[in-house]
Amino acid sequence: QVQLQESGPGLVKPSETLSLTCAVSGFFISSGYYWGWIRQFPGKGLEWIGSIYHTGSTSYNPSLKSRVTISEDTSKNQFSVKLSSVTAADTAVYYCARVARVPGGSEYFQHWGQGTLVTVSS
Amino acid sequence: EIVLTQSPGTLSLSPGEGATLSCRASQRVSSSYLAWYQQKPGQAPRLLISGASSRATGIPDRFSGSGSGTDFTLTISSLEPEDSAVYYCQQYGSSQVTFGPGTKVDIK
Repeated sequence: QVQLQESGPGLVKPSETLSLTCAVSGFFISSGYYWGWIRQFPGKGLEWIGSIYHTGSTSYNPSLKSRVTISEDTSKNQFSVKLSSVTAADTAVYYCARVARVPGGSEYFQHWGQGTLVTVSS
Repeated sequence: EIVLTQSPGTLSLSPGEGATLSCRASQRVSSSYLAWYQQKPGQAPRLLISGASSRATGIPDRFSGSGSGTDFTLTISSLEPEDSAVYYCQQYGSSQVTFGPGTKVDIK
């Protein structure tokens, strides 16, 4: 059974870079699937951030594309997200997930981590 | 971007009753690429349905999905107390994934 666990700072200052890591157990990320990030705002709305394939191919939400980078470390079986120039509007619970991509479409989220709250504040 | 609208906002029902949750898209969702998730307080969303009607592994058969085009429905045939949660729809028929705002189901 695949399990995902997010980690990283819970507090980030405005204008700095948010960095989170997702450790995966029960499945080798190099074996396949896409791996992604989603965030949930305090008002409970959900927003897709982006995803990465084990080959390194990435896909990003156009509204975040200029600020986000998703990378992977297959030796540690984990993947990461960096979001630059954060503001208070980036305060959210950040989830990592195993992704199912479909032909002619994009992706949905099969397995989720428990999530980690990141607050942007000085 | 495809905008999803969910109704009603809140549903308050008794155990054993049936629930019908609606998800409407601003444009046709290609190939019925629509998923439903359940989120309980303090937990991550859990995948219930993909492809509009395919139950995920381990999901009870009282949950069923239907619909196509712009109108989709999640039906819970006989509510259990543990079904109290917020339910989100998500479309993945376009290059940009979008989620609906959710329907809260309260069990009286």
